Amino acid sequence: QTVVTQEPSFSVSPGGTVTLTCGLSSGSVSINYYPSWYQQTPGQAPRTLIYSTNTRSSGVPDRFSGSILGNKAALTITGAQADDESDYYCVLYMGSGISVFGGGTKLTVL
Amino acid sequence: EVQLLESGGGLVQPGGSLRLSCAASGFTFSNYGMSWVRQAPGKGLEWVSGISGSDGSTYYADSVKGRFTVSRDNSKNTLYLEMNSLRAEDTAVYYCAKPAREWLWNPDSWGQGTLVTVSS
Repeated sequence: QTVVTQEPSFSVSPGGTVTLTCGLSSGSVSINYYPSWYQQTPGQAPRTLIYSTNTRSSGVPDRFSGSILGNKAALTITGAQADDESDYYCVLYMGSGISVFGGGTKLTVL
Repeated sequence: EVQLLESGGGLVQPGGSLRLSCAASGFTFSNYGMSWVRQAPGKGLEWVSGISGSDGSTYYADSVKGRFTVSRDNSKNTLYLEMNSLRAEDTAVYYCAKPAREWLWNPDSWGQGTLVTVSS
């Protein structure tokens, strides 16, 4: 079974830039997986940041951007702010109606 | 404005059943595939099930296949998840989700979630 991989944790300094990645245990991520990215704080529903690789969801600031870097999907946050400290999840569409989430990355801003 | 409102969660004994509903508004419901995503306490997100908008084809994660059934009533703009043979590991907040575009699948809009607790 294919596993979607994310860094368990990451830290960034206020004002800094961080890139989180979303990979596959076997194979490369491409735009054909329609990667999406979500931000979630405890007790809240996920908030969609990026869908279809690089399209920002409604109301999402342009500090958040999505791309394919090498063989992974990537979420880049520029000008990190304190309230960016959250859990970040990616999801990949595997085809045949199946999507798989990554395990999430806990981002610390310090 | 897209709104998704889940209901039907609660406490159920192992082996029991529960039916979740998701009332949708603010978009043409029948044109969109819809998904259920869950999150166990302290854990990550897990895609559970989906149903296409066009022909009602259904899809399931291996963890729930054979026990859960997803359906929809386009006349009522409502999505359902029938959960049978529930196990402790099914305890989670269950979210209803809609993609950003009719031809996409991954979630974009989310409901607030409904908590399902499986315990004796």
